[in-house]
Amino acid sequence: NAGVTQTPKFQVLKTGQSMTLQCAQDMNHEYMSWYRQDPGMGLRLIHYSVGAGITDQGEVPNGYNVSRSTTEDFPLRLLSAAPSQTSVYFCASRSTGVNEQFFGPGTRLTVL
Amino acid sequence: KQEVTQIPAALSVPEGENLVLNCSFTDSAIYNLQWFRQDPGKGLTSLLLIQSSQREQTSGRLNASLDKSSGRSTLYIAASQPGDSATYLCAVNTGANSKLTFGKGITLSVRP
Repeated sequence: NAGVTQTPKFQVLKTGQSMTLQCAQDMNHEYMSWYRQDPGMGLRLIHYSVGAGITDQGEVPNGYNVSRSTTEDFPLRLLSAAPSQTSVYFCASRSTGVNEQFFGPGTRLTVL
Repeated sequence: KQEVTQIPAALSVPEGENLVLNCSFTDSAIYNLQWFRQDPGKGLTSLLLIQSSQREQTSGRLNASLDKSSGRSTLYIAASQPGDSATYLCAVNTGANSKLTFGKGITLSVRP
């Protein structure tokens, strides 16, 4: 298994641009989530999904959209990037009934 | 609101020392607690998961304990090695849809 994969690894955007951060898992996990990691702030939950077609907001959802059309994929969309969205983004997944969560390698995003 | 604290923020020890990393949380109504390791510029690697009904978990040189009533967990590392140098993150699952609340981490440096 590849586990949780994320693309791209690095991205630089200009303010106002849009982009999608990709996340995929091949473990047939129902639960997937997105976190951002900022210096001095720790990891904070952005959005999560408990299964295909079901998403909900986390602690810091503003400026981000998600959808979950398949079990495998959970993309994170930035509609109009802002410098405050400069961060490292991590995707995670877990299986129902197994509490351990697995994280992807992260996407480092810089918004100029 | 659940808050997770890890003190100190950084720790430096000589190789071979046994050490304890502390994690405290404010709401004892947790489902489980997970310890992660993060190397610079990398993702999170799960080390140990302790369910709320458990007192401890062990994996190799690592032992994690949980005292829900006092809101504390410790990660014990035996016979530390330079390869253990990393940031160690504690995360608490308070149940609702497996949302994790993270501490800010302890950056460990093991000196040869």
